[in-house]
Amino acid sequence: GAGVSQSPSNKVTEKGKDVELRCDPISGHTALYWYRQSLGQGLEFLIYFQGNSAPDKSGLPSDRFSAERTGGSVSTLTIQRTQQEDSAVYLCATSPRTPYGYTFGSGTRLTVV
Amino acid sequence: QQQVKQSPQSLIVQKGGISIINCAYENTAFDYFPWYQQFPGKGPALLIAIRPDVSEKKEGRFTISFNKSAKQFSLHIMDSQPGDSATYFCAPLVGGATNKLIFGTGTLLAVQP
Repeated sequence: GAGVSQSPSNKVTEKGKDVELRCDPISGHTALYWYRQSLGQGLEFLIYFQGNSAPDKSGLPSDRFSAERTGGSVSTLTIQRTQQEDSAVYLCATSPRTPYGYTFGSGTRLTVV
Repeated sequence: QQQVKQSPQSLIVQKGGISIINCAYENTAFDYFPWYQQFPGKGPALLIAIRPDVSEKKEGRFTISFNKSAKQFSLHIMDSQPGDSATYFCAPLVGGATNKLIFGTGTLLAVQP
C-alpha cells in the first residue's frame, strides 16, 4: 500500500483481556518498529524487526508484551492480560534498509477499562 | 530514555513570526538528527533532518541548526502559518544495528492567525 496501515484504529478492552494490534508495512520496507505514545511517557521504542527477526526487543515493558512478524511483512503486537497502564497509542513505523526513511502509521489507540 | 531534552513544552506564535524549538542530547552515539511533525490523530511525519557533519540545513521555511560541541540542535520555522500548528518532536537516531529513534518530549506549537 501507499502508507503504513494499522488496525484497529481504536480498541477498547477490559482489564485482563488480551489484545492484538496489527501493522501492514509499506511494500519492500524491511525494517519495522513499534513505538508507544502515552501522556506520561512520550514516544517510547518497543521493538525492532529486520525481516522476520527481532534483534532489539529492549523496549518491551514486560513479558505480557510480545510481537511477531511473518513473511517479512505484517506484524502483530500482542498484549496479554491488559492493564490500565497499557492505555496508549501504539504506533508502527517502517523503513527501507537505510534508516533515514521512517514512515509512521496513524496508530492504534488502546483504552483499557 | 531521558537522553533527549526538548524545549519549550508549548509555544504560541503569531502568524508570520518565527518559531524556535530546541533539543539537547547526551548520547554521542546519535548520528542522525530529524524533526518530526505530528497532527492530532496521525502518526509523526518526518519534517527535516540533518547529519552531524553539517551545521545547518534549510528546506523551505524550515531550518535545522546543529551544534555538535554543545550537543544541541534546533528547529526554526520562518513565516509561521496556522497550518504549522502541531506537535513537534526531535528524535535523534541511534545508529548501528537497530537504528531506533529516541524522541524528545514534544513541543505543542500554536500559530495564531
